Parts: sequence; C-alpha cells; structure tokens
Amino acid sequence: EIVMTQSPATLSVSPGERAILSCRASQSISSNLAWYQQIPGQAPRLLISGAATRATGIPVRFSGSGSGTEFTLTINSLQPEDSAVYYCQQYNDWPPLTFGGGTKVEIK
Amino acid sequence: EVQLVESGGGPIQPGRSLRLSCAASGFSFGDHAMHWVRQAPGKGLQWVSGLIWNGDDIGYADSVKGRFTISRDNANNSLYLQMNSLRPEDTAVYYCARDSARNFYYYMDVWGKGTTVTVSS
Repeated sequence: EIVMTQSPATLSVSPGERAILSCRASQSISSNLAWYQQIPGQAPRLLISGAATRATGIPVRFSGSGSGTEFTLTINSLQPEDSAVYYCQQYNDWPPLTFGGGTKVEIK
Repeated sequence: EVQLVESGGGPIQPGRSLRLSCAASGFSFGDHAMHWVRQAPGKGLQWVSGLIWNGDDIGYADSVKGRFTISRDNANNSLYLQMNSLRPEDTAVYYCARDSARNFYYYMDVWGKGTTVTVSS
C-alpha cells in the first residue's frame, strides 16, 4: 500500500498571501496524484488531477506540481473562501486508493 | 445537473447490517467506475471500496474486506454498499464518488453529500 504524507498539518496564511502545501508518496507514483478541497461541513471537491491539471471551474490561483514522490499544491493570493482542508490522493497503484492525512489552511 | 445522492445511513448497533444506496443522475452512470469513501468524525478521508463500470473489477480496503460488499445496477443508475458485522470504528460519513475513468480506479471528480453511519450500542 502506498502511504501518502502531507505537511504541514496546519497552515495559517494571511489573505492575499501564498500557501504552499506538500504531499509525499512512499514510492514513486509518476504524476498519478489528485488534490481535493474540503470546506467544513461539505463534501470534498476535486481541484487537481495528473498532479498539475486543474479541474473544471477551479480558479487559476490553484496550481499543482511535482512527480515521482514529491508534490506541491500552491494557492496564490489566498482568499477567505480558501479556508479548508486539502487532501492529496494517489491513483498509481490500487487497490487501495490512498489519501494523505490532510492539510488545514487557516486564514489569519 | 450531475448529482450523486446517498441514502441508508443511520444509527445501528454493533454486529448488525446496513445497506447504503447512491442514486446517480445527470451523466451516463455506466461509463464510470464508482467508489465509496468514508470520513470518521474529525478524521481524514479513507477509500472503502470501488468497482469499474461493469462490476468485474472490485476492490476493498483491508479494514472492510469480508464484511462489506459493493455492487451497482447500471440499469437503475445506482451504487450500493452492503455493510455487515458493523463495528464502532465503521462510524463515519460515507460518500459516494464518481471516478473519472471507466475501467480503472483514478481520481474522483463528482461526490455526493454523504450519509452518516453511527455504530453504537
């Protein structure tokens, strides 16, 4: 089973600033990585697939990068509505599909 | 509108059974693999089970293998999760999610709002 590790657990960022979230896989997963946003009380929403491709309707301030074992989600010009928990998920080797433990982004 | 609506959750005693349903609409259900993903209170996301478009390839998390059974009815645009021998650690919100792919497990591009299962005596 591929283990996904996210850091930091919590990130506190001021509005308009940049947030950088990390996700590490326990073995290479090529670019088979997705990112999801979960606003409190809501279902997860797909942000990024293929490590770097934004889903339909996702603002350009969200960008993903990386391959192999190291991945990054960058949120530029953070907005109040970006306050959420962000999860990465690998789909290179399954079953099982595996998620990281999440990074909570707080707005200062 | 593309939509997934889960039902069947509720309070249940340990050792009992429960069947979750997911009604799909707004897309060609038979063209997608489907999954169940759960989230325990205050915890992260955990993939529970998935199956490809025709049900020929099915997978389970180790924690539910032998107790849960996933199935689908493409004629009625529905996904199911039969949960037997429930344990307190199965307490969670259960999400139905659409896979972007037909024949593989990839990423989940549409999610339902979830149904809550509470296992307690």
